[in-house]
Amino acid sequence: SYKLTQPPSVSVSPRQTARITCSGEALAKRFAYWYQKRPGQAPILVIYNDSERPSGIPERFSGSSSGTTVTLIIREVQSEDEADYYCQTTDISGGYPHVFGTGTKVTVL
Amino acid sequence: QVYLAESGGGEVQPGGSLRLSCAASGFRFKSHGMHWVRQAPGKGLDWVGVILYDGSKAYYGDSVRGRFTISRDNSRNTLFLHLNALSPEDTGVYYCAREAPGDSFNGLDVWGRGTTVTVFS
Repeated sequence: SYKLTQPPSVSVSPRQTARITCSGEALAKRFAYWYQKRPGQAPILVIYNDSERPSGIPERFSGSSSGTTVTLIIREVQSEDEADYYCQTTDISGGYPHVFGTGTKVTVL
Repeated sequence: QVYLAESGGGEVQPGGSLRLSCAASGFRFKSHGMHWVRQAPGKGLDWVGVILYDGSKAYYGDSVRGRFTISRDNSRNTLFLHLNALSPEDTGVYYCAREAPGDSFNGLDVWGRGTTVTVFS
């Protein structure tokens, strides 16, 4: 099966911008989805279809896509944004199976 | 209020079996594909599988295919995950999650709090 690769960690100061990348062959043809995961809590969908934001997600969260890499961007980072972030995509055909990225720990300094 | 609640987790020996349940409320359950996702201690999210809205088909991740089975009872608004031939690598928190509405996949927009499975040797 295919893989989605993320950097293990990203550190950012409060009010600065965090950028988290996710790379994989399928992303050239398929949308990416991003989830925030805090310890002991259920994941939260923060971006879908590469750059769409679900209702209730702050505008500070955005997404972009270029070729085989997608990027989650968190502007004006706050302490509450400290969490693990995972990308997800579908099979390259658009169906199943799905796969999650390796995950990125965002640390707010 | 849209809500998912997993249950059925516990401790089991290697080679054993378990059945997890996910009770749904607050939305039209039979209209949504439903997923299972797990997280081993200290590890990342692992896609377990999905069942289509009407239960007609299920698909699985490489690590569980042939051992786990997903089913659903739309009359009871309940999703199931049958775990067989368990190994210590199956230890983790198991989440059920709802596919967001739409004609195509729009992400997993509602998640349960998870239930813990421990396979001890």
